[in-house]
Amino acid sequence: GENVEQHPSTLSVQEGDSAVIKCTYSDSASNYFPWYKQELGKRPQLIIDIRSNVGEKKDQRIAVTLNKTAKHFSLHITETQPEDSAVYFCAASYNTDKLIFGTGTRLQVFP
Amino acid sequence: NAGVTQTPKFRILKIGQSMTLQCTQDMNHNYMYWYRQDPGMGLKLIYYSVGAGITDKGEVPNGYNVSRSTTEDFPLRLELAAPSQTSVYFCASSRRVPGANVLTFGAGSRLTVL
Repeated sequence: GENVEQHPSTLSVQEGDSAVIKCTYSDSASNYFPWYKQELGKRPQLIIDIRSNVGEKKDQRIAVTLNKTAKHFSLHITETQPEDSAVYFCAASYNTDKLIFGTGTRLQVFP
Repeated sequence: NAGVTQTPKFRILKIGQSMTLQCTQDMNHNYMYWYRQDPGMGLKLIYYSVGAGITDKGEVPNGYNVSRSTTEDFPLRLELAAPSQTSVYFCASSRRVPGANVLTFGAGSRLTVL
């Protein structure tokens, strides 16, 4: 079955800097890759997703890149703000049915 | 429109007891999921369902059972609770569309087994 590894487990950045979180997946058939944000004590919420026929997708300060050959994808947050502090989860699935999540990255943005 | 509702929010069980975590959604979503989140860890898929009457195992199904008799409800049954089942349980639902599957999560149920 699918296995998703996520790095780093914690990430601290200064406000205004960029943050990058990386994930690798094992099943080459996976074709859907969402990212979820979980604020402290809250439920996870989707922030961006990408399909395997797209190499990059942007939404304001957030972007996701996908390298199918290497089976890895990354989340890029530019101009970080304190409200970006949260745990971020990547996930992968084949045909979107069964989402397998990574272990999460705790991002702390210091003012 | 309440979204995904989980009950109870908190529960303490003794080893060997059984209980059911309830999950209901009012968005007419066909897909439903149960995940567990251990402290400092990611979300592990326990079971999922693609429609009423259909369930399938996820990554960590042992010690749990589910049923999906209606579109709205997807209860998770714990039989013979063990300390290893101490976790926060999240139910989620989605209306899968071609090329995307956006999960709406419930608020979570924190379970402690002593």
